[in-house]
Amino acid sequence: DTGVSQDPRHKITKRGQNVTFRCDPISEHNRLYWYRQTLGQGPEFLTYFQNEAQLEKSRLLSDRFSAERPKGSFSTLEIQRTEQGDSAMYLCASSLAGTTIPDNSPLHFGNGTRLTVT
Amino acid sequence: QQPVQSPQAVILREGEDAVINCSSSKALYSVHWYRQKHGEAPVFLMILLKGGEQKGHEKISASFNEKKQQSSLYLTASQLSYSGTYFCGTEPQVSGGYNKLIFGAGTRLAVHP
Repeated sequence: DTGVSQDPRHKITKRGQNVTFRCDPISEHNRLYWYRQTLGQGPEFLTYFQNEAQLEKSRLLSDRFSAERPKGSFSTLEIQRTEQGDSAMYLCASSLAGTTIPDNSPLHFGNGTRLTVT
Repeated sequence: QQPVQSPQAVILREGEDAVINCSSSKALYSVHWYRQKHGEAPVFLMILLKGGEQKGHEKISASFNEKKQQSSLYLTASQLSYSGTYFCGTEPQVSGGYNKLIFGAGTRLAVHP
């Protein structure tokens, strides 16, 4: 178990540029989540995947944000035309979800990618 | 919809106890507790399921009052390693049961020698 890894750890970009982040979940985990965290706040849900299927996207997420999880392994989060308000820590988490509802498996978080938009 | 955590911050001397509360306005499937140290990932502590259960993890335990949709995290005989920010993550029953957690704003805990 090598844990959830995220790349890059830090990204500084100019307003209007596109950025892409990568998340590698724990290998056997079938569910993957993206969260955003700003200073002094808890993580805010963005989207999640069950295997390769993106099952939900937060209504707070603008059309500039897109996420993929090809083949149900790693995931990428892309932000187009970045704005200063996008500056935050972007956290990825994975879990091994069972077949029961509700699913009560713990989330395993990565160390995040800190985005600064200048 | 975000759960309310209290207090916002706690300062303890090593060996003292603390209680952190988490309250939701929604009926919940579960409450998760995580601890995050500065610059690190949130680390899972425990899950409380509806049914009013109580759980323990070393000297850290928690309870969930399903009727009130409130959970409390109890830290006893605190250690320096307990310092960090504690988050509760709640899963409202209306969310479908897929672990889409809504996190509180966190409680910052500092333990001093």
